[in-house]
Amino acid sequence: EIVLTQSPGTLSLSPGERATLSCRASQSVSSSYLAWYQQKPGQAPRLLIYGASNRATGIPDKFSGSGSGTDFTLTISRLEPEDFAVYYCQQYGSSPEVTFGPGTKVDIK
Amino acid sequence: EVQLLESGGGLVQPGESLRLSCAASGFTFSIYAMSWVRQAPGKGLEWVSGISGSGSNTHYADSVKGRFTISRDNSKNTLFLQVNSLRAEDTAVYYCARGQQWLVSFDYWGQGTLVTVSS
Repeated sequence: EIVLTQSPGTLSLSPGERATLSCRASQSVSSSYLAWYQQKPGQAPRLLIYGASNRATGIPDKFSGSGSGTDFTLTISRLEPEDFAVYYCQQYGSSPEVTFGPGTKVDIK
Repeated sequence: EVQLLESGGGLVQPGESLRLSCAASGFTFSIYAMSWVRQAPGKGLEWVSGISGSGSNTHYADSVKGRFTISRDNSKNTLFLQVNSLRAEDTAVYYCARGQQWLVSFDYWGQGTLVTVSS
């Protein structure tokens, strides 16, 4: 089973700053099969990025994804108040298997 | 507008069963794979089970294999999860989610239904 590790666990930043979130896989993941989600308290997750770098419908271009193999990154170019949330990466593998990372919480500094 | 509405959660004792439902609207339900994803209180996301659009292919996480059964009724645009032999560790909010491409990613989610297993 592929294990996803996200770092840091918590990222404390101010509005207007850039956020860089990391997702590392224990084995190589196809770029086509890596997604990122945002979850706010009391809400369902929302798909942000699929295929490692493709923004989902309605997602603003301040969110961008990159990476390949075992290392993937979600970048939020300029944080706005509504961006403070928990972010999860997720991979799909053969078997099939679906795993999520433990999440990175982005909170206000 | 795509909508997913879960129901069927509640408080049950260990060993009991529940049937969760997810009513879908706003899209052609039968052509999309669907999944259940759960989230224990204060914890992260865990994929539980997925089913193909036709219902012919189903898959489960090891943690629920043999106890949970996913199914769908495409004539009623409804997804189900039969959960049996419930354990305390099954306590979670259960979300249904639409597969963007099989189980690769999930583009729409319901608001979830809470299952609490406690004596």
